[in-house]
Amino acid sequence: AQKVTQAQTEISVVEKEDVTLDCVYETRDTTYYLFWYKQPPSGELVFLIRRNSFDEQNEISGRYSWNFQKSTSSFNFTITASQVVDSAVYFCALYGGATNKLIFGTGTLLAVQP
Amino acid sequence: EPEVTQTPSHQVTQMGQEVILRCVPISNHLYFYWYRQILGQKVEFLVSFYNNEISEKSEIFDDQFSVERPDGSNFTLKIRSTKLEDSAMYFCASSANGMALDTQYFGPGTRLTVL
Repeated sequence: AQKVTQAQTEISVVEKEDVTLDCVYETRDTTYYLFWYKQPPSGELVFLIRRNSFDEQNEISGRYSWNFQKSTSSFNFTITASQVVDSAVYFCALYGGATNKLIFGTGTLLAVQP
Repeated sequence: EPEVTQTPSHQVTQMGQEVILRCVPISNHLYFYWYRQILGQKVEFLVSFYNNEISEKSEIFDDQFSVERPDGSNFTLKIRSTKLEDSAMYFCASSANGMALDTQYFGPGTRLTVL
């Protein structure tokens, strides 16, 4: 079975702090894809990144970085120098095998205080 | 930048009524999806649709639900007889193809409230 676990329900940080959101996944597929989506208070789901199972290189995009480790089945997301606009729910999701549906984690609510 | 649009943004209905949620996927995309998110919970897959037929559906997607692509641009989700537990945010998504290479882009959602 496929599963995504985001153990952190809520995180609160003060602006300019770094914060890491954890994501652990389970799958029997050898080829799979991992995603992060952001859901701001307005409710939409905004795509942030996609990673395939064969590419374990870390990725950096501005203040965002992602650490994919197959050995621990984790795909963690770090925001450096957080800003109030980063306040949102962040979802990790898995996609793989013969299915074409996304399996979402329960999300982490990030609150960045000014 | 092309985006998925959904209407209405908020729909209030009485239990037992039929509702139709509308989506306009990104124009060159071929795969379409509906997901739902009960308030405060995770996003759950309902159904995927390709080439005018359902390609996959979850156990949530029972006989009360149906999807349709009535024309070249719209993709609809119909709930025949709404129940209180259907209250949720419904997201439409589309992808250029159904392979995992391809990212699913989500619309802004329709909040359905069943009274």
